Amino acid sequence: GAVVSQHPSWVICKSGTSVKIECRSLDFQATTMFWYRQFPKQSLMLMATSNEGSKATYEQGVEKDKFLINHASLTLSTLTVTSAHPEDSSFYICSASPYGERNSPLHFGNGTRLTVT
Amino acid sequence: GESVGLHLPTLSVQEGDNSIINCAYSNSASDYFIWYKQESGKGPQFIIDIRSNMDKRQGQRVTVLLNKTVKHLSLQIAATQPGDSAVYFCADSFPSGYSTLTFGKGTMLLVSP
Repeated sequence: GAVVSQHPSWVICKSGTSVKIECRSLDFQATTMFWYRQFPKQSLMLMATSNEGSKATYEQGVEKDKFLINHASLTLSTLTVTSAHPEDSSFYICSASPYGERNSPLHFGNGTRLTVT
Repeated sequence: GESVGLHLPTLSVQEGDNSIINCAYSNSASDYFIWYKQESGKGPQFIIDIRSNMDKRQGQRVTVLLNKTVKHLSLQIAATQPGDSAVYFCADSFPSGYSTLTFGKGTMLLVSP
């Protein structure tokens, strides 16, 4: 089945530093990947849509300069949290579909727990 | 799904019981629906999906029912097992180009032996 891998699974960083999270599709190509954020006991909130070879599309209220997305290949998207602050601490999850079309299930990575101290 | 809440509704069942988890969605234009299971510290795992031209779909031990009239979706789990304990999310998608999903608030299912 389709596998999406995220790395790292958890990271602790100091306030003001930047953190990069990788999302890879292991056995399929994905022209589009999605980044979500999830707070404890809450649902997933879409942050941005990552498009291979072009700029990401950000949801309303998500700062594009704060959350840098790069989708340089058909199997890798990265999310960089720049100048992280404690309020950025959250669970970040990426997803992709192996079918490249709508109305097909998204497959999710296992998430990255970010803690900013 | 509907807008995110600040706490998760919880459904507690005994092992072997049938479980029914409900979800309401708000966009009448949604035409594709998915149920995901999320275990603690992990990403969501696909369970079953249904398209708007259907009102019922069955999988292994799971059944999804769709009522477009009242914009309601349910997930039925037969013979619930302790391993089914997790948070369950519904998600819907509408014709807007690529498949972006809107997630519901989630329901925590607790199965006791």
